[in-house]
Amino acid sequence: KAGVTQTPRYLIKTRGQQVTLSCSPISGHRSVSWYQQTPGQGLQFLFEYFSETQRNKGNFPGRFSGRQFSNSRSEMNVSTLELGDSALYLCASSNRDRGSTTGKLFFGSGTQLSVL
Amino acid sequence: DAKTTQPPSMDCAEGRAANLPCNHSTISGNEYVYWYRQIHSQGPQYIIHGLKNNETNEMASLIITEDRKSSTLILPHATLRDTAVYYCIVRGGMRFGAGTRLTVKP
Repeated sequence: KAGVTQTPRYLIKTRGQQVTLSCSPISGHRSVSWYQQTPGQGLQFLFEYFSETQRNKGNFPGRFSGRQFSNSRSEMNVSTLELGDSALYLCASSNRDRGSTTGKLFFGSGTQLSVL
Repeated sequence: DAKTTQPPSMDCAEGRAANLPCNHSTISGNEYVYWYRQIHSQGPQYIIHGLKNNETNEMASLIITEDRKSSTLILPHATLRDTAVYYCIVRGGMRFGAGTRLTVKP
């Protein structure tokens, strides 16, 4: 069974640009969560999607958005990039049920974003 | 919102047991405790989880106190490959915290 796939693996952008990151979950998983990881802040929860609906959201500005497609693949978008957005962005999928917060998270290898 | 507290770092001698504590005093009655670890800059990897009873699998053991306000992850015979950052989480992964950096020394 294929794991969680994130593309691209590395990305370099400049301030003010926007970026779209992609995540393909494990087959059959309908929950996809996104995290930002920086050396100073650790793993910060961005949002979770379940069956194309955002059901939980972390404390990030509106420049960070996401969506999920009918095949459970998910994308996250960051607009008007700032230097502080440089981070490792991780995606995780889970087979948890609707309304549940239990269930293992399976993480991808992440996308390393550098904003210059 | 449920929050966890872990020591920032710990050392352990190779072959000895590593005991990693976690405080989750605001955990709700139906929330599970999950443990993950992250090696270098890879994605975190699931280790074990539990609700109220102690749990054991091929990787580790999990001891949860009776009041469920804290837990301990036990790696029975730590190896150099167990050097990683260990995260204790509740609330479905919405609060990861900074974790504990475990260094296993030869």
